[in-house]
Amino acid sequence: AQSVTQLGSHVSVSEGALVLLRCNYSSSVPPYLFWYVQYPNQGLQLLLKYTSAATLVKGINGFEAEFKKSETSFHLTKPSAHMSDAAEYFCAVLYSGAGSYQLTFGKGTKLSVIP
Amino acid sequence: DVKVTQSSRYLVKRTGEKVFLECVQDMDHENMFWYRQDPGLGLRLIYFSYDVKMKEKGDIPEGYSVSREKKERFSLILESASTNQTSMYLCASSLGPSNSGANVLTFGAGSRLTVL
Repeated sequence: AQSVTQLGSHVSVSEGALVLLRCNYSSSVPPYLFWYVQYPNQGLQLLLKYTSAATLVKGINGFEAEFKKSETSFHLTKPSAHMSDAAEYFCAVLYSGAGSYQLTFGKGTKLSVIP
Repeated sequence: DVKVTQSSRYLVKRTGEKVFLECVQDMDHENMFWYRQDPGLGLRLIYFSYDVKMKEKGDIPEGYSVSREKKERFSLILESASTNQTSMYLCASSLGPSNSGANVLTFGAGSRLTVL
């Protein structure tokens, strides 16, 4: 079965510090990869997606993620955290192989930003 | 922008009640999904639909059913609510095709259900 692992259910950073949220996936074929963000009391919204074009993907709000096939990773980064980045972040993987369509989500990482 | 509307943000029901969660999208999307979200478990897919009157089971369909009579509306039904169905329920839609990397999900704001 396909799986997505987000390391760290809770990450705290100081305002202005680097944000690094980790995501690893299990796959033998190149997947499509997504990061979604959920602000309190809201649904999820797309931050960025990787669809086999450039390996470094830029998203909204200054976030970016790099696809590393050799490490089966798609870590999310932002150079300088802002208070408004406090939210829960979900990595998701879609496999384009045969079989029924299913997007698999990680369990989420809650980001806290300390003033 | 695509809008996915979940009519009930907060519901409190009693054990054994029949519960309907409604979801409507306004951009003619083919695909619709129901997830439940629980702390520490992330999002788990309950049911999805690629077309009107079509439905497919997700990872955790037990205790749930769905209805898609119109393209824009996808309903989640709990035939007899139980306390272990207390959760946040998220509806989503996407344009398709279903196995495309461009198939981005647009989510509703969620329906928080408490079963007493």
